[in-house]
Amino acid sequence: DQQVKQNSPSLSVQEGRISILNCDYTNSMFDYFLWYKKYPAEGPTFLISISSIKDKNEDGRFTVFLNKSAKHLSLHIVPSQPGDSAVYFCAARVNGQNFVFGPGTRLSVLP
Amino acid sequence: DAGITQSPRHKVTETGTPVTLRCHQTENHRYMYWYRQDPGHGLRLIHYSYGVKDTDKGEVSDGYSVSRSKTEDFLLTLESATSSQTSVYFCAISESTARNTIYFGEGSWLTVV
Repeated sequence: DQQVKQNSPSLSVQEGRISILNCDYTNSMFDYFLWYKKYPAEGPTFLISISSIKDKNEDGRFTVFLNKSAKHLSLHIVPSQPGDSAVYFCAARVNGQNFVFGPGTRLSVLP
Repeated sequence: DAGITQSPRHKVTETGTPVTLRCHQTENHRYMYWYRQDPGHGLRLIHYSYGVKDTDKGEVSDGYSVSRSKTEDFLLTLESATSSQTSVYFCAISESTARNTIYFGEGSWLTVV
């Protein structure tokens, strides 16, 4: 049973518009949440994170929102660029240093 | 980029043969991890290490063993490879619990025929 879920396998967005990637989780013991971006034939790269005591964290074009009561987080990319086309993984930390990943969402930004 | 090197990067092996994947880091990070990536499953933890000779099982550890005799090296061994172990394997490292991020290597593509 997946503890971290990304229910949209894929998402297409027009260049310049907002991309919203969603993630749901079931384990209330998660204390940190992260987003990773992965290009084909490369390892995942860290994008942005948020502590469970926060509800928003922003870094340039990327903003992560956390709704603890709904056990839901989302990644907003504004404006979306063709180079943002990749697979995005949501991840959560538990037990100090274990990280659980979702199945990923493939984002396609269309020019 | 984090100093993580995985070897081999690509390997084709036959069912029943042993295979060892190596992860080498130059960051002196305490924690090291092995994940596998499969379609529909994302990244699943196989084993992890929290120090030299200190390892523990992850979500999908059956059929795999690990060893860490030095801080910089973390080995993943498939004792007798099966077709279900065809996957992309990623090593990751993390500095400490104070740093809430893990960094990945570039992956090792393993095909078991």
